[in-house]
Amino acid sequence: QQQVKQSPQSLIVQKGGISIINCAYENTAFDYFPWYQQFPGKGPALLIAIRPDVSEKKEGRFTISFNKSAKQFSLHIMDSQPGDSATYFCAALGGSNYKLTFGKGTLLTVNP
Amino acid sequence: DSGVTQTPKHLITATGQRVTLRCSPRSGDLSVYWYQQSLDQGLQFLIQYYNGEERAKGNILERFSAQQFPDLHSELNLSSLELGDSALYFCASSPGVGFSEKLFFGSGTQLSVL
Repeated sequence: QQQVKQSPQSLIVQKGGISIINCAYENTAFDYFPWYQQFPGKGPALLIAIRPDVSEKKEGRFTISFNKSAKQFSLHIMDSQPGDSATYFCAALGGSNYKLTFGKGTLLTVNP
Repeated sequence: DSGVTQTPKHLITATGQRVTLRCSPRSGDLSVYWYQQSLDQGLQFLIQYYNGEERAKGNILERFSAQQFPDLHSELNLSSLELGDSALYFCASSPGVGFSEKLFFGSGTQLSVL
């Protein structure tokens, strides 16, 4: 059972464009929603995170939008740059055994 | 650099064999987590240790086992290897006993079972 569903699987964006990655969850017991960024040959690293009592969080060019009623959250990357090319994972913290559960990842390619 | 060290970076072995993956957590971190990354399953949680004790279990096969030593380094043992065990295995660490939204991941061990 996949508790966090992420889409799209891959995304190609032109430099300067907006990248949008979506995630959905079922378990209302989740209480923290981080996004991780992974470059080739490296492990995932925390990028930005949001609590469910907040509808939006912005850090530089990265914004999380959270819709609690729809049980969905998304990552927006404004003014996308080639250096943003990486795999992005959404995640949810909580649920049974209170653990960090990841989506399957989105491979983002930003063309120059 | 996350401060988490994993060795080896690459491992090639044959079906039926046994391998050991090693992880040294960040200085001061007491929790170690093991994740398996594959194209079809994404990042799957295997097991967590806190200060030498097993804390949480995920989708870990019975052929797999782990332990955390007094110096806090951890080892993941994979036995009776099958082709489907080929994956990238990550170790992560965090300071506290419970899961945190911020885990520090190593660079992983790429396991290829031939």
